[in-house]
Amino acid sequence: GAGVSQSPSNKVTEKGKDVELRCDPISGHTALYWYRQSLGQGLEFLIYFQGNSAPDKSGLPSDRFSAERTGGSVSTLTIQRTQQEDSAVYLCASSLGTGANQPQHFGDGTRLSIL
Amino acid sequence: ILNVEQSPQSLHVQEGDSTNFTCSFPSSNFYALHWYRWETAKSPEALFVMTLNGDEKKKGRISATLNTKEGYSYLYIKGSQPEDSATYLCASPNSGYSTLTFGKGTMLLVSP
Repeated sequence: GAGVSQSPSNKVTEKGKDVELRCDPISGHTALYWYRQSLGQGLEFLIYFQGNSAPDKSGLPSDRFSAERTGGSVSTLTIQRTQQEDSAVYLCASSLGTGANQPQHFGDGTRLSIL
Repeated sequence: ILNVEQSPQSLHVQEGDSTNFTCSFPSSNFYALHWYRWETAKSPEALFVMTLNGDEKKKGRISATLNTKEGYSYLYIKGSQPEDSATYLCASPNSGYSTLTFGKGTMLLVSP
């Protein structure tokens, strides 16, 4: 079956513009996660969805970042007024449930470059 | 936020060598330990999820052990092949649900 799909795969934009990243999880996976990896850093948690609600938004770095999930499926991560420090690979993952022993299935990521 | 550390940061071995790397994590409030393999230009792939102290899991030439009392896990690769070249990540959940804190990874390069 289809894996986690992310779009676009690459995005280059000017500082100050808004960007929207999309994640389509594996069908039937109730949990969805956003992470990012900045240059030289490890994977950093951003936000987690259970169904359409986000019980944990603690990783969002500023109020310029927001995310939503509709229909218990597709999620979008929006970054407003982008800054150069937002340049990173943004990864989405989904899992069948939310237990600590659930493996996460990752998409290929969106490489975001802010000029 | 958990402190998950991996060592070494990078490793270069010859084809056929066996190798291992370490992941350390807080031993208190342990829930699970995940290992992922991330090949260049691909998505991270789950290798193992381990929950029990003393557990050992195996997938082909790759195996992992877990010591929850002292807070470490080892990943072993027997007879490394060039296709094993990747970054190996470990991660631990912050709580009983599955938001993960990742280590920075061990980058493995296997030369033919």
